[in-house]
Amino acid sequence: RKEVEQDPGPFNVPEGATVAFNCTYSNSASQSFFWYRQDCRKEPKLLMSVYSSGNEDGRFTAQLNRASQYISLLIRDSKLSDSATYLCAVPGGGADGLTFGKGTHLIIQP
Amino acid sequence: SAVISQKPSRDICQRGTSLTIQCQVDSQVTMMFWYRQQPGQSLTLIATANQGSEATYESGFVIDKFPISRPNLTFSTLTVSNMSPEDSSIYLCSVEVWVPTSGRATDEQFFGPGTRLTVL
Repeated sequence: RKEVEQDPGPFNVPEGATVAFNCTYSNSASQSFFWYRQDCRKEPKLLMSVYSSGNEDGRFTAQLNRASQYISLLIRDSKLSDSATYLCAVPGGGADGLTFGKGTHLIIQP
Repeated sequence: SAVISQKPSRDICQRGTSLTIQCQVDSQVTMMFWYRQQPGQSLTLIATANQGSEATYESGFVIDKFPISRPNLTFSTLTVSNMSPEDSSIYLCSVEVWVPTSGRATDEQFFGPGTRLTVL
């Protein structure tokens, strides 16, 4: 099993809709999880950090399911500007360097 | 967060040459990391840059190919040595910032803008 797995998509979603996608991880001892947003030809930007059951920030909600070893990202009232690649990351490298999933490509359509 | 800059932002190099990428942070940080993002791929950790000691490399990456320096708490360099076209990639540095969140301190990583390297 790969360490961090994501559905690459693309997810094509109409503006205003709610969209959710998951990220599964293999290391059951992981204590922290991160969602990054990456726009084309830009560096990843930290979107949300998850340390317990979940986290919410405005239209964005991240949920952690330890039993099934996945985290989810929910985006409500999606906007055109939400179009991006969403990367899931889990500490697993040397000194907590991050292991990234391949990313989920989200396209919000007008 | 932290303000992170990288130099150069992009370069086109000939095979067999070497390129040194610089990463500068606006504040002192304990942990700095170097990642690679190959075309159409996600990020892969190359190594952790430790201040005052040798870098710690991930499986598949070696010091001879990717020597790293970390002379102080705000600066690091990554050299891509004896380059081949397979080294064409975006190289990103990141820093770990200790931030208080909801009553506990947490480590979050923030990335520099990246260096886009093309090897001919």
